[in-house]
Amino acid sequence: RKEVEQDPGPFNVPEGATVAFNCTYSNSASQSFFWYRQDCRKEPKLLMSVYSSGNEDGRFTAQLNRASQYISLLIRDSKLSDSATYLCVVNIPSFSGGYNKLIFGAGTRLAVHP
Amino acid sequence: GAGVSQSPSNKVTEKGKDVELRCDPISGHTALYWYRQSLGQGLEFLIYFQGNSAPDKSGLPSDRFSAERTGGSVSTLTIQRTQQEDSAVYLCASSQDISSPKNTEAFFGQGTRLTVV
Repeated sequence: RKEVEQDPGPFNVPEGATVAFNCTYSNSASQSFFWYRQDCRKEPKLLMSVYSSGNEDGRFTAQLNRASQYISLLIRDSKLSDSATYLCVVNIPSFSGGYNKLIFGAGTRLAVHP
Repeated sequence: GAGVSQSPSNKVTEKGKDVELRCDPISGHTALYWYRQSLGQGLEFLIYFQGNSAPDKSGLPSDRFSAERTGGSVSTLTIQRTQQEDSAVYLCASSQDISSPKNTEAFFGQGTRLTVV
C-alpha cells in the first residue's frame, strides 16, 4: 500500500461548483497533514495545514479522520483560478525522533470551466 | 534570504557527465528536503536532512545520487554519470523545526529543471 494515496482525477467542474478531494495515508503515527497546490510547471505551495480534526479558510475546508486515516479537502464556489493540482502531504515520524519526512500524494488535478 | 533558493534554474547536460544542484534554505530552517518530479508525475521523495545529518536516504534512486548539507544551511545534490532517465525537475524545500509536528510546513524553491541529452 502506498504511504499516501489520492484520486488522480481530473475533476472537471463548472464555476461555482463544490468539489471534494480525498486522501488516505498508511502510517497511523502521523501527526500533521497538509494540502498543497501546484500550478503547471511551478513549485508546490502550502494551501492548508491540518493538525486536529479540521481547518477552514474561506472557501476551503480540510478535514481529518484519524480513525479511518483519511483527509479531505472541500472547495466551495469554485473559481477558474482554483484550477491546479492539489497535493495531499503527510508528515511521517522518523525513528530518530522528529517529524520530518514529508510524503506527497501523486496529486488530484482540478479543472474549473466557465 | 526570504525564500528557498535553488541554482541553477535550468541545466542541460550530456549523458555521462556529473551535475551538482544547489539549495539555499530559508534562514533558520533546520530541515531540508530534496524531491524529484518527472513530467506529469507526482513528487518523489529523495532525501531529507535534520541539520547536517540525513536520517533517511531511502529515496535516492541509485548510488549515482548523493547529497550533503554543510553548516546546517546550504545543500548540494550530486548526480554522477547522468542518464536520460535522470531528466526531471529537482525540488528543494525547507521547514522550520523538527521537534513539533506543528512547525513542519515545507516551503519550496522553484526547482532545477535538469535535461540529460
